[in-house]
Amino acid sequence: NAGVTQTPKFQVLKTGQSMTLQCAQDMNHEYMSWYRQDPGMGLRLIHYSVGAGITDQGEVPNGYNVSRSTTEDFPLRLLSAAPSQTSVYFCASGREGTYEQYFGPGTRLTVT
Amino acid sequence: EDQVTQSPEALRLQEGESSSLNCSYTVSGLRGLFWYRQDPGKGPEFLFTLYSAGEEKEKERLKATLTKKESFLHITAPKPEDSATYLCALSSGSARQLTFGSGTQLTVLP
Repeated sequence: NAGVTQTPKFQVLKTGQSMTLQCAQDMNHEYMSWYRQDPGMGLRLIHYSVGAGITDQGEVPNGYNVSRSTTEDFPLRLLSAAPSQTSVYFCASGREGTYEQYFGPGTRLTVT
Repeated sequence: EDQVTQSPEALRLQEGESSSLNCSYTVSGLRGLFWYRQDPGKGPEFLFTLYSAGEEKEKERLKATLTKKESFLHITAPKPEDSATYLCALSSGSARQLTFGSGTQLTVLP
């Protein structure tokens, strides 16, 4: 049981480039979410999904897209990277009936 | 708007010196209050969920408590391996999104 996995661990992008951060979980959790962590600001919710085919925006959704075609996968797409998107990105999942969420190891993204 | 404030920002303890971390919050309709541990370069690791005032949870040297306005994470006789950043978060209303505090960075010196 690998839990929540994320790839890549590190990524450097130039302004304007696009990319997809991958997230997968093998716990059959219906709830998945993406957070970004910036110094002094805590973790902030970007997008979340309550099940396959259902997504919604969090606190800081601008510049990011998500989709959920399977229960296991929840990729995060950066459409046109900006330096303000330099951050550490965490994916999390949780099962129905609880509010606990379990986090992946993170992707450190730098946009130059 | 839900708010979570953690104090202190940083705490240095000698090994064996017990202390408490504070998480104060304002929320409408608390669904759960969560504590996580985060090591450098890693994702947050789930520790506890507290659902109602008066509830307590324990795990090894850690004990979490909850009142209507605050939660405390008590660390008894800490060891150097307890050094980490401890995050408090809450979930409210019908949404499952978490609102996080900025964390307390704990350093335990041998």
